[in-house]
Amino acid sequence: DTGVSQNPRHKITKRGQNVTFRCDPISEHNRLYWYRQTLGQGPEFLTYFQNEAQLEKSRLLSDRFSAERPKGSFSTLEIQRTEQGDSAMYLCASSLVLAVYNEQFFGPGTRLTVL
Amino acid sequence: DQQVKQNSPSLSVQEGRISILNCDYTNSMFDYFLWYKKYPAEGPTFLISISSIKDKNEDGRFTVFLNKSAKHLSLHIVPSQPGDSAVYFCAASVRGGSNYKLTFGKGTLLTVNP
Repeated sequence: DTGVSQNPRHKITKRGQNVTFRCDPISEHNRLYWYRQTLGQGPEFLTYFQNEAQLEKSRLLSDRFSAERPKGSFSTLEIQRTEQGDSAMYLCASSLVLAVYNEQFFGPGTRLTVL
Repeated sequence: DQQVKQNSPSLSVQEGRISILNCDYTNSMFDYFLWYKKYPAEGPTFLISISSIKDKNEDGRFTVFLNKSAKHLSLHIVPSQPGDSAVYFCAASVRGGSNYKLTFGKGTLLTVNP
């Protein structure tokens, strides 16, 4: 399967714990995005990488959130001191720099539940 | 301030008929518009897109229409099939700049009845 993969698919944690999610983009895609989706809403942009450089961060991304993309390949999203409001689906997407309409291809997501 | 709006939370149609999903936007800087389909427990799947310089784009059973003056776009599915039942998201993007994020609407749940 050459699509975007995300691990884990589900994560249940207690409030105050740290969690880390991983995203493996489509291999030739140099842009990688993180989005968050809550119930009844569309995906909301969190952050964006071009190769290994993090070029944009949403104001939704508080200082408890950090994302990395070492060597421009896979990416990790870490949430420190989780809060119940962090419960959501975290989606990763990737695209080509030369994508005509900025088509982004999404992974299956990681569903986070904070108890 | 929601820049992309899908005002119909749900739509139900009969198999074989046309499904029309609507989307409005407020940001005149948007250059590209995309439709995604999402099944439960899966990520959104890219369906079709259109540039702001066009008013129609067609791909098989799916056609997207753009009315730039009204800041409105619609997705037509003809004929509708039960497998089309999913949540459909409208998304928009600004060309260039330092950010290529997609701005999504809240989605419309389409149910196609056999």
